[in-house]
Amino acid sequence: SQKIEQNSEALNIQEGKTATLTCNYTNYSPAYLQWYRQDPGRGPVFLLLIRENEKEKRKERLKVTFDTTLKQSLFHITASQPADSATYLCALDFTGGGNKLTFGTGTQLKVEL
Amino acid sequence: SQTIHQWPATLVQPVGSPLSLECTVEGTSNPNLYWYRQAAGRGLQLLFYSVGIGQISSEVPQNLSASRPQDRQFILSSKKLLLSDSGFYLCAWSVPGKETQYFGPGTRLLVL
Repeated sequence: SQKIEQNSEALNIQEGKTATLTCNYTNYSPAYLQWYRQDPGRGPVFLLLIRENEKEKRKERLKVTFDTTLKQSLFHITASQPADSATYLCALDFTGGGNKLTFGTGTQLKVEL
Repeated sequence: SQTIHQWPATLVQPVGSPLSLECTVEGTSNPNLYWYRQAAGRGLQLLFYSVGIGQISSEVPQNLSASRPQDRQFILSSKKLLLSDSGFYLCAWSVPGKETQYFGPGTRLLVL
């Protein structure tokens, strides 16, 4: 069955550094991959979507890469700030139908002063 | 602009009691609607999704059911709650044919 793997260990980095989070998946390669941010006790918020024919996508301090050969996406936050502290989830639609997203368990990022 | 509401925000219920969680979306028509559950330290599990009034797809066998009585209303129900039903329940919507989902604030359910 399809699986998504995100590092379950929290990532602690210093303010101003670049945070890099990893999302690996098995089997079927989806047509696109999404990243969401979730704060404690809140619903996830969409950040970025990258399609299989896009190697890289940027939005302000965020950058996502998508390597369908490695079956991996990397999510980067440059010049990180304490306000970036949250759990980051990757999500894929393995069905291709656009209705069913499978979410990873997320990686908790903590940016320290 | 579009908004999504869920209520109640928190709920404490005894085992064996019924459940009704409501989700409504404003500012859009004919959205796809979703119910997810997030157990502590776990990922989001898709429970139900709906592409139209009265059209419900169930993803996992469970003690829960869903209904969509109106275009922008999605209800999650149970006749008798189990301890294992505790969790954080999230409703989401998307534009048909678009990939991004937009989540509500969630309902934290504790079954005792």
